[in-house]
Amino acid sequence: GDSVTQTEGLVTLTKGLPVMLNCTYQTTYSPFLFWYVQHLNEAPKLLLKSSTDNKRTEHQGFYATLHKSSSSFHLQKSSVQLSDSALYFCALKMPNYNVLYFGSGTKLTVEP
Amino acid sequence: NAGVIQTPRHKVTGKGQEATLWCEPISGHSAVFWYRQTIVQGLEFLTYFRNQAPIDDSGMPKERFSAQMPNQSHSTLKIQSTQPQDSAVYLCASSFTGGADAETLYFGSGTRLTVL
Repeated sequence: GDSVTQTEGLVTLTKGLPVMLNCTYQTTYSPFLFWYVQHLNEAPKLLLKSSTDNKRTEHQGFYATLHKSSSSFHLQKSSVQLSDSALYFCALKMPNYNVLYFGSGTKLTVEP
Repeated sequence: NAGVIQTPRHKVTGKGQEATLWCEPISGHSAVFWYRQTIVQGLEFLTYFRNQAPIDDSGMPKERFSAQMPNQSHSTLKIQSTQPQDSAVYLCASSFTGGADAETLYFGSGTRLTVL
């Protein structure tokens, strides 16, 4: 069935370093992919979304490229900040259907 | 725009009691979703309404969970005979079903349910 895999449960980095959070998916359809971010005690919020193959999408310093050939949508940032500490969820949506299916999430902790 | 409103923020029940969680979607949004969040499972889809009609409840535990959307301004998730394994944060989200922003889910802050 359709699914999303996030391989890292916990990522800890020092401020200023680059980060890449992995997201791969399985589906027979042409999907929409999303990254949502959830700060402590807050609601998940949309960070990025894409349905276009090989096109980089960016927001708030984060970027991701949907690669349909490898079924991936990895999230990257060139220099993490303390405020980036949060839970990051990758999610998948099939065309013409509104439900998002989420991966298990990656907790990013940025240390001084 | 106040966003998606969920009440209560916290609820504590004893094992075997009933819990009802409330959600007010963003005005104008025609799709409403319920998710359950735990550390182990992450964000699990429970159920989905479109224009108040139930569309997909494939994620709902069948025996004790039920959801309704009696009007366009609120939805409820009811858990009968709560069990400790029901302890989680229950998140409601809403979205448009057409147009440029149709794919974006807007989440409420959730209800943290603790079953003792």
